[in-house]
Amino acid sequence: AQSVTQLGSHVSVSEGALVLLRCNYSSSVPPYLFWYVQYPNQGLQLLLKYTSAATLVKGINGFEAEFKKSETSFHLTKPSAHMSDAAEYFCAVSVFTGGGNKLTFGTGTQLKVEL
Amino acid sequence: EAGVTQFPSHSVIEKGQTVTLRCDPISGHDNLYWYRRVMGKEIKFLLHFVKESKQDESGMPNNRFLAERTGGTYSTLKVQPAELEDSGVYFCASSQFDADGNTIYFGEGSWLTVV
Repeated sequence: AQSVTQLGSHVSVSEGALVLLRCNYSSSVPPYLFWYVQYPNQGLQLLLKYTSAATLVKGINGFEAEFKKSETSFHLTKPSAHMSDAAEYFCAVSVFTGGGNKLTFGTGTQLKVEL
Repeated sequence: EAGVTQFPSHSVIEKGQTVTLRCDPISGHDNLYWYRRVMGKEIKFLLHFVKESKQDESGMPNNRFLAERTGGTYSTLKVQPAELEDSGVYFCASSQFDADGNTIYFGEGSWLTVV
């Protein structure tokens, strides 16, 4: 079975500061890992994904995440926060099932960016 | 190319009524998924279609929920009769296996409130 733990349901940073959102996973097989973002009143948008290629994955809007197998982590970072980054972020792990993916999500981290 | 579209975007119904949510996946995607997020909880898998067949419906909460996918195109999720605890956001997603790991694309969600 797969599971995801996101540490910190709420994270607050100043504009221009480093963003670090933590995600640890548990998986019995090599995982595929994803970060999704949900802006207020919108759907889920894919930020980036890890699919066993490069361990450092770059996504949209300046975000990146590093897969660390030894730590079972896939933390999301951005060097400099912008006000427009305020949103809820979800880490997810997937397992293939019948040709498709079944995602298991973390509980989400609400990011607040302050002036 | 159109993304995953869902209808209605918002719905308010009374307890005991019926609601039908519709999802149009990205054209050509064989895999269609339904997920749900109830207030304050994580996003949870409901079921997975491959074309018109139910591949995995292990997440369906009970027999008040019925999902169909006519002809392997659009899908509907019917809740009958609706209960208060069914309130939440229902996300539809679709994917097609590719060399890049079967990325799942989500719709904007259908926000259901049962009063």
